[in-house]
Amino acid sequence: DGGITQSPKYLFRKEGQNVTLSCEQNLNHDAMYWYRQDPGQGLRLIYYSQIVNDFQKGDIAEGYSVSREKKESFPLTVTSAQKNPTAFYLCASSIGERNTIYFGEGSWLTVV
Amino acid sequence: AQSVAQPEDQVNVAEGNPLTVKCTYSVSGNPYLFWYVQYPNRGLQFLLKYITGDNLVKGSYGFEAEFNKSQTSFHLKKPSALVSDSALYFCAVRDHGTYKYIFGTGTRLKVLA
Repeated sequence: DGGITQSPKYLFRKEGQNVTLSCEQNLNHDAMYWYRQDPGQGLRLIYYSQIVNDFQKGDIAEGYSVSREKKESFPLTVTSAQKNPTAFYLCASSIGERNTIYFGEGSWLTVV
Repeated sequence: AQSVAQPEDQVNVAEGNPLTVKCTYSVSGNPYLFWYVQYPNRGLQFLLKYITGDNLVKGSYGFEAEFNKSQTSFHLKKPSALVSDSALYFCAVRDHGTYKYIFGTGTRLKVLA
């Protein structure tokens, strides 16, 4: 099946730890994105990538890092510098300027 | 800068009644507009989009949206609401010149039986 796969669905992080959220797509989309969603708030863009080996900061990039070594993969690392990482993280992808952005099922990150 | 606004945090409607979820936008140039729905603990699902052409856009699950250039609005509508339509709805606009999609804050729709 074509789609966007995020893993894990639930992740717990201890204070001071880095964690990595996986995002894989087999839609052959060029662009990939990471959004953060907090309860009662909309989606905020963390990072996006238009092509392999290139990515840009979004509105809330501090404390996060990404890589785009392969077209189908766009992992997000939540570093210890992110002071309030508990949130729902959504990965998405799109192709072309006029086309729809599609989302994965999301990953919950909780700091314990 | 491109932006969208969803003025209502929550909309309540009785089952069988028509529903409207509001969205206004601010863009330079022609807007590329989208509606998504999110059920609890899930990703966003695409409903419909306006790129060009007919101002009335039909989408999934019986939803439609009307593009109004003079009012810079793109309201989501459905003639007869179902309890299963209860969810969080997001309006979005594509930023021209980049690959960024900008989302509204979301409107929670509650359909009452």
